[in-house]
Amino acid sequence: GESVGLHLPTLSVQEGDNSIINCAYSNSASDYFIWYKQESGKGPQFIIDIRSNMDKRQGQRVTVLLNKTVKHLSLQIAATQPGDSAVYFCAENGATGNQFYFGTGTSLTVIP
Amino acid sequence: GAVVSQHPSWVICKSGTSVKIECRSLDFQATTMFWYRQFPKQSLMLMATSNEGSKATYEQGVEKDKFLINHASLTLSTLTVTSAHPEDSSFYICSARTADTQYFGPGTRLTVL
Repeated sequence: GESVGLHLPTLSVQEGDNSIINCAYSNSASDYFIWYKQESGKGPQFIIDIRSNMDKRQGQRVTVLLNKTVKHLSLQIAATQPGDSAVYFCAENGATGNQFYFGTGTSLTVIP
Repeated sequence: GAVVSQHPSWVICKSGTSVKIECRSLDFQATTMFWYRQFPKQSLMLMATSNEGSKATYEQGVEKDKFLINHASLTLSTLTVTSAHPEDSSFYICSARTADTQYFGPGTRLTVL
């Protein structure tokens, strides 16, 4: 695949603080990116997406930033809540645009 | 968002048996579905792309004879793990494409004894 799974890095934040989760994608031809949230034992849940013709996109409490020059994505979560604790993955659509490949993932823990 | 279901949610089987996992798109038709595998504390790894009415496309290193994929209709894809062994124990997740994006099923936990 385009990206290889590795052991998850972790991020701990205090409740109410903002969280920033980073992701480096691997294929410069990817033009569509998605952030997913995965809770333990469940499938990934769509959070927000962005196309390569944009640098920034905002949703409810979340913002995705895309830097194509360095192939970097970030997910910003405002006023982080305990319910935000999960593993967050970015996914890219790869060279063909038909499949989605996942980044390493980051485990977010919100401290009450 | 669109709903994708998987069945069963958890299966335990003996080594050497075959296990079938179903993936359904409940409120939309999906010409393309994907199968992923996930080990604990790791990312999702794409196994294959399932195309309705044609053969699946497997990622490099995935044994097509080991992981049989059938996409017989626009709402159903199945993954059969043949002659399962303990090393096949994993979390298997399917997803389905819509015109806009990709939605995931809840996953199936396979435990091979």
